[in-house]
Amino acid sequence: GAVVSQHPSRVICKSGTSVKIECRSLDFQATTMFWYRQFPKQSLMLMATSNEGSKATYEQGVEKDKFLINHASLTLSTLTVTSAHPEDSSFYICSARAIYGYTFGSGTRLTVV
Amino acid sequence: DAKTTQPPSMDCAEGRAANLPCNHSTISGNEYVYWYRQIHSQGPQYIIHGLKNNETNEMASLIITEDRKSSTLILPHATLRDTAVYYCIVRVAEGAQKLVFGQGTRLTINP
Repeated sequence: GAVVSQHPSRVICKSGTSVKIECRSLDFQATTMFWYRQFPKQSLMLMATSNEGSKATYEQGVEKDKFLINHASLTLSTLTVTSAHPEDSSFYICSARAIYGYTFGSGTRLTVV
Repeated sequence: DAKTTQPPSMDCAEGRAANLPCNHSTISGNEYVYWYRQIHSQGPQYIIHGLKNNETNEMASLIITEDRKSSTLILPHATLRDTAVYYCIVRVAEGAQKLVFGQGTRLTINP
């Protein structure tokens, strides 16, 4: 149980376009989800906390207008990278609180060319 | 949440026990010790967690010192598939507070 499905697993987009990443809790309801970014050989860095029915809480230094988060239901949170640039290329991972702790999506590898 | 300290890397021979240490000297009384691991290019995977008693599940054992200032994750019979970065995190169990990752230990299992 407690599975989080993240889609897509890989995406390549052109510079200046927007990309949407979906995170779904498949067998439980998640009022709170978390979005992380991970650069090569680095640890996961928390970007924002997504709250169902309210605005997301962003970590310091993360641009809320660039990384749009929508948590419209108890099972779905989306992260949209707007006007993507090559420096936004990274591994994006979502997470949700489950009974024993946190469960994570499989990640999305974003490459901006 | 309390800060943790882990060695950046460790090696272990296949079939042997892998013992991964974690220091958390500023842990509070209501904070649990969680362990996750991340295999290359995948999302982190929950391994085990504990408060003050030793814990064991099908993946690993967690040994927490009596003063709770450090712990050890034990993989009893390491396989090549256990090669990953292992993260030790301390935090309260209640609520949906954010989970903050340190640098972890990169464990390499050698054949």
